[in-house]
Formats: sequence, C-alpha cells, structure tokens
Amino acid sequence: QQQVKQSPQSLIVQKGGISIINCAYENTAFDYFPWYQQFPGKGPALLIAIRPDVSEKKEGRFTISFNKSAKQFSLHIMDSQPGDSATYFCAARARGNTGKLIFGQGTTLQVKP
Amino acid sequence: NAGVTQTPKFRILKIGQSMTLQCAQDMNHNYMYWYRQDPGMGLKLIYYSVGAGITDKGEVPNGYNVSRSTTEDFPLRLELAAPSQTSVYFCASSYSMSGSGELFFGEGSRLTVL
Repeated sequence: QQQVKQSPQSLIVQKGGISIINCAYENTAFDYFPWYQQFPGKGPALLIAIRPDVSEKKEGRFTISFNKSAKQFSLHIMDSQPGDSATYFCAARARGNTGKLIFGQGTTLQVKP
Repeated sequence: NAGVTQTPKFRILKIGQSMTLQCAQDMNHNYMYWYRQDPGMGLKLIYYSVGAGITDKGEVPNGYNVSRSTTEDFPLRLELAAPSQTSVYFCASSYSMSGSGELFFGEGSRLTVL
C-alpha cells in the first residue's frame, strides 16, 4: 500500500529551466517531509526538508512547497544544472518514536546542457 | 568518519542459498534501517531498529531477518534466497527521530538471485 505517491517517474529539463516534482500522501500521521537526492552508485542523501506547519522552504535553488489541506508537496529546482541530474525521492516521516520514512517511487531527472 | 559501511557491494546468489548483508556505522546513531530499492518502486523499509536489542518489521519484512546486538552493527539475513529478492539494499542510520532526523545511507549492496 503506497502511502506516498510521486510523479513524474522521469523528467528531462534544459539547463537553466525549472524542474518540478510532485508528491501526494494519504496518511495524516506524518510530521516531517524530506527530499533525498541520489546519484548513480550512491546512497540517497538529504537535500531539503519541511514540516507541515510551514508552506514553503527555500535553500538556494531548491524550494519545497507544501499544501497541507491537499496533502501534497513539491520540489522546485530553479536554474537547473547538469549536475542536478540524479534521482529524487520525496518521503514522509511517521509520527512516533521510530523515525521511519515512507518514500515515494522516485523521479529520475536529466538536465540537458 | 566512515559513516555507514555496507558489505558486500555486489553478490550473486543461487535460489535457496542464504547470506548476510553487513552494515556498520561509526556515528553512534541509535536508529538504523534496512531499505530495498527496486526500479520504479522507490525505497521500501524492510526492518528497523531504535536501539541495541530492539528491532521491528517494516513494510516488506518477509524473507528477511535482522539482529542488533550492538549500537554499531545491523546485519540483514536472507534465508532461502528467491529471485524476488534481487534488489539493491541500503542500510541507513539516524541519530534521533526528533529535529531533522536525517537518515545517513550507505552506498548499497546489489544482490542478484539466479
């Protein structure tokens, strides 16, 4: 049962363009929404994260937009660069004392020079 | 700091064989996790541990077992390997579930069952 749905599965963007990846969650018992970035042959690494009481968080060229009522959140990458080419995962952390993350299906981003 | 270290990086198993994927972290993290990654499916939680001696099932625990005898080590055991267990396995650790609760991942172990 997939509790976090991510789209699109793959994305091609020209250098300098905006990359947008969307996620939707089904369970309200989440308290933290991170995005992880994964390069080929490597493990995922935390990119940026947001709490549900905040509607937007920006770090450099990366922005998370969060819509609590719609149970949706998205990652925007401004001025996309070839070095941003990677797989991106959204995730949601279950409330409680386990720290468990439920991941979306992943989006493979290719930024063309 | 080595961070999270996984061994082996690659392994080919025959159906019915057993093996253990090793995971060690040197960050004194209490929380440790095993995920599997399949194309188009994201990362699925297999087992997790909130401290030495405590383990619990995740989303896809069938066919696997874990133990946590020390804070540093969290091995994943595959009994009677099946082709459905062909995947990339990631171990991760976290210092705390509060705050950012950032997960630190190893580089993965690619397992093929033939």
